[in-house]
Amino acid sequence: EPEVTQTPSHQVTQMGQEVILRCVPISNHLYFYWYRQILGQKVEFLVSFYNNEISEKSEIFDDQFSVERPDGSNFTLKIRSTKLEDSAMYFCASSKGPEPQHFGDGTRLSIL
Amino acid sequence: QKEVEQDPGPLSVPEGAIVSLNCTYSNSAFQYFMWYRQYSRKGPELLMYTYSSGNKEDGRFTAQVDKSSKYISLFIRDSQPSDSATYLCAMSDGTNTGFQKLVFGTGTRLLVSP
Repeated sequence: EPEVTQTPSHQVTQMGQEVILRCVPISNHLYFYWYRQILGQKVEFLVSFYNNEISEKSEIFDDQFSVERPDGSNFTLKIRSTKLEDSAMYFCASSKGPEPQHFGDGTRLSIL
Repeated sequence: QKEVEQDPGPLSVPEGAIVSLNCTYSNSAFQYFMWYRQYSRKGPELLMYTYSSGNKEDGRFTAQVDKSSKYISLFIRDSQPSDSATYLCAMSDGTNTGFQKLVFGTGTRLLVSP
């Protein structure tokens, strides 16, 4: 069964550094999402992306965050200058359209 | 009032028991309701989804939505130790072009003992 893949599984970064999290959505999906889950807390929506532009973003998704679909298969989340509070699991998800989203196994981001 | 509320558990049951997991919500605009299962160090895995009110059954799993009470349930029949995981409810108001933002509950941790 097709799945969403995310790399790396664990990223350790110094505070203030830039980090890029990568995702390969399911190949025929058109809608792409990023969520995060801080340890012990809910999964929270960050951003949705369709037709090469952001369709919705949350309050968390401030100017430090950006998303890109650099080619036909990858979908990336960049955090420009990481803060300690950015430490979390980051999940990528995709969907064909009016149907539920399928999630990857996440990237654990640790900020030192 | 939180938008989606879910008892975090843990809920411990013996193998073979019927499990009932529940969420309540406050946003009457929610139309799409999903249950995801999450194993440790894994992403949410879609189990069930329903649109608006009603029941949906898939094998040992039954999802129920009562929009009038803003209450959704997931029932697991003949529970197995492999069902031990965290169960997340999620919901969306939906759009014509896609599901857009999912709002999650905190998740209920389920432990099924052999």
